[in-house]
Amino acid sequence: IQMTQSPSSLSASVGDRVTVTCRASRSVETYLNWYQQKPGKAPKLLIYSTSTLQTGVPSRFSGSGSGTEFTLTITSLQPDDFATYYCQQSFSTPSWTFGQGTKVDIK
Amino acid sequence: EVQLVESGGGVVQPGGSLRLSCEVSGLTVSENFMSWVRQGPVRGLEWVSVIYSGGSTYYADSVKGRFTISRDTSKNRLFLQMDNLRADDTALYYCARDGDYGAGHYDYWGQGVLVTVSS
Repeated sequence: IQMTQSPSSLSASVGDRVTVTCRASRSVETYLNWYQQKPGKAPKLLIYSTSTLQTGVPSRFSGSGSGTEFTLTITSLQPDDFATYYCQQSFSTPSWTFGQGTKVDIK
Repeated sequence: EVQLVESGGGVVQPGGSLRLSCEVSGLTVSENFMSWVRQGPVRGLEWVSVIYSGGSTYYADSVKGRFTISRDTSKNRLFLQMDNLRADDTALYYCARDGDYGAGHYDYWGQGVLVTVSS
């Protein structure tokens, strides 16, 4: 299953609402996860099963979607949120696949 | 606190071998689904291999027949034996836990170890 994210990058300001889209080449039902990665660090799990926030993740992050189209939304972008975001499907056991990433940087 | 610490990376010539190790604390390797995930300049994030709590192992097509995942329950370590390495295996390799009962999302990651395949 191929995962395609859009946009590949975006520039935004602190306080902006940011939306990242992830599309699957075929349905993954709601088996869709989101990660945040900062330079030199491992990816960090943000959201699993489309919309469940991992423990400790701020509520400004949310996820939605089903089937082949999903979104990650950050309601009010904070300085700590500038990073690269990846989606990952966990439908096709055990061959999980990731999107190519969306880099969010400062406008 | 859960910690995963990879080691064993380095520079190797095409056709060579490396053995990666992941020392785990705070969780029991044999009771979890443990994976290797790599991040390379061309393919980005890519699942490589998983070993289930029951011992079953699976591999990405790109490494099948060349890589072997294993674990040492007495030392609580995960391993990845990589043989017949190719240039496109160059990447940062992470060990990661595949959620509770293999839930499909990676909730714990190591810091990564760099593998460079070059002549």
